[in-house]
Order: sequence, then structure tokens, then C-alpha cells
Amino acid sequence: SQTIHQWPATLVQPVGSPLSLECTVEGTSNPNLYWYRQAAGRGLQLLFYSVGIGQISSEVPQNLSASRPQDRQFILSSKKLLLSDSGFYLCAWSPGRLNSPLHFGNGTRLTVT
Amino acid sequence: AQTVTQSQPEMSVQEAETVTLSCTYDTSESDYYLFWYKQPPSRQMILVIRQEAYKQQNATENRFSVNFQKAAKSFSLKISDSQLGDAAMYFCAYRSAWISNFGNEKLTFGTGTRLTIIP
Repeated sequence: SQTIHQWPATLVQPVGSPLSLECTVEGTSNPNLYWYRQAAGRGLQLLFYSVGIGQISSEVPQNLSASRPQDRQFILSSKKLLLSDSGFYLCAWSPGRLNSPLHFGNGTRLTVT
Repeated sequence: AQTVTQSQPEMSVQEAETVTLSCTYDTSESDYYLFWYKQPPSRQMILVIRQEAYKQQNATENRFSVNFQKAAKSFSLKISDSQLGDAAMYFCAYRSAWISNFGNEKLTFGTGTRLTIIP
């Protein structure tokens, strides 16, 4: 069966520090991968999605970036964090079939101080 | 661009009663998919139910069912025999059925409805 791993679970970082959140999927190949952010009391905002290695689509211009160095690995990064980057970050995957739902990781709670 | 609207930020229901959560969406497409996700306090997103727009029959999963009104662009979730474990944020989501060059597999989410179960 397929599983998705996301880490770390929680992270507290000072303003201006770098960020690296990692997500990996097991049990499937060539998944579509997604990074969502959920601000407190709000819905999910799509940040990036990828349909293959090296193919990254950015939905929201900001100081975050994403990379897909391997088929089942998706990384969310920042060179310098802002206070507004605080939130709950969710990685998700889907098999690429349109009627398939997204399957989410357990999320990372990021607090920028 | 598609938008999803959940007009009820919070709802509450007595345990064992029935509650309906509302969702409307805006799209110019004729073929698409709709989903309801549940996010309990653990924050994990859990799929509750899905609906294909080309199907007229409303989807059902145990105590969860939807009322899909395509013409009205409405997709409400009905929870029957509410249980304490149903307490969560519920998100409605939309996915296009058309694949562009880069893919339209992304889901667009509403802002969520927080459901409280009263013992």
C-alpha cells in the first residue's frame, strides 16, 4: 500500500533562517505531488504541485520554492523565512487519475519567531 | 478559475442527530470531481466522500451522503447519526476533469466548516 511521510512534524524557526520540509511517498511511482499551506482558521492554499521530476508549478508567488529531486520526493524550501510563513504545511500525493483524491501527510506546523 | 465556497464557518449538532454542511462552487466546466475532506484535531486530512459530476446519483459512504445539485453548483454533505468522532473541520474541494499541459489535478478547497458534536 502507498504511504506518505512528511517531516518534521513541528518546527520553530527565527525570521530570516532557511527552511527545508521534506515529503516522500512509498508504494507508487510517478505520483503527482503537492504542497499546501493552511493558515490558522483558514482553508488550504495550494503552493506548489508537480506532475513529474523537475516539473514544478507555483501557484502563489512568495519566498518559498519547491523541488522534486527524485520521483517520490518533494521538498519545500525557503532561503529566508518571514513571519507570514508561519502555518501548517501539508504534503499530498495522487496517482494522477482525475477521479482520485489527494492523500495527505500528517503535516508540519511551522512557527516563525 | 474555480472557486469553492463554504458559507458556514461553524455548525453544531446533537449526538445521534443529522446535520448538513453546505458547499457551493463556481466553474464553467461541465465535467469535474467534488470531494469532502475531514480534518480532526490531529490535523490529518481524511477523505470522506467523492462525487463525479457526470453521475446523477448522489454518492453515499455509510453515514455520509451528498446532495449534488449540478445546475445549482451545490454539493452539500449530510452526516446521519452524528457521533462524537465526527467532530472536525470539513472541507469541500473541487477538481477539474480536464488535463492541461501541466495538469489540472490540483484540488481547490473551500475555507472549511467546523463541526461540533454536542453530547
